[in-house]
Amino acid sequence: SAVISQKPSRDICQRGTSLTIQCQVDSQVTMMFWYRQQPGQSLTLIATANQGSEATYESGFVIDKFPISRPNLTFSTLTVSNMSPEDSSIYLCSVGASGATEAFFGQGTRLTVV
Amino acid sequence: AQSVAQPEDQVNVAEGNPLTVKCTYSVSGNPYLFWYVQYPNRGLQFLLKYITGDNLVKGSYGFEAEFNKSQTSFHLKKPSALVSDSALYFCAVRDIFSGNTPLVFGKGTRLSVIA
Repeated sequence: SAVISQKPSRDICQRGTSLTIQCQVDSQVTMMFWYRQQPGQSLTLIATANQGSEATYESGFVIDKFPISRPNLTFSTLTVSNMSPEDSSIYLCSVGASGATEAFFGQGTRLTVV
Repeated sequence: AQSVAQPEDQVNVAEGNPLTVKCTYSVSGNPYLFWYVQYPNRGLQFLLKYITGDNLVKGSYGFEAEFNKSQTSFHLKKPSALVSDSALYFCAVRDIFSGNTPLVFGKGTRLSVIA
């Protein structure tokens, strides 16, 4: 299994500002995933972050809005840029989940944009 | 394409009664299937998975799930519900031939166990 530390756990931000979420894993992993969970909804994959290359974004998500860093095999950040109230969500990082392996999740960041 | 359906937004059950949370899936090949639970203000916690072999899989906290290939289902069950089981439950799937692609999640089912 993997232990994932994600911070901040929650934040309230002003619209137009940016927030960077950090994700630290207790072991080296090739891929890290960032998800958004809007209120009352399922998880939506934002992007896949590989160390040493640019993140791969899913349809509807762009690098200018959600820049991702992956400086090494145990750490990643997701920035939510120029925030609006529609960005209010829980953001989750995840590792694992290749083949038959289950995914492991951080505890999530609850973001409220006012 | 892979997909997961959880047909119930909400399941209510009395404490001590058996519970079932439904999940059906669609993959082009054979599936790997997973159940996760999310407690308030927490991330997702892994409960159990089906890879191959016995269709009845046992997992954490007394939960089990039954894989039914003909019905493409993977329902989560527990013989006797506890109030502390109240949470949001997610079913997820990956086609065994899809390599390192992320899991595909259902929309979630909120379980409420009433004392």
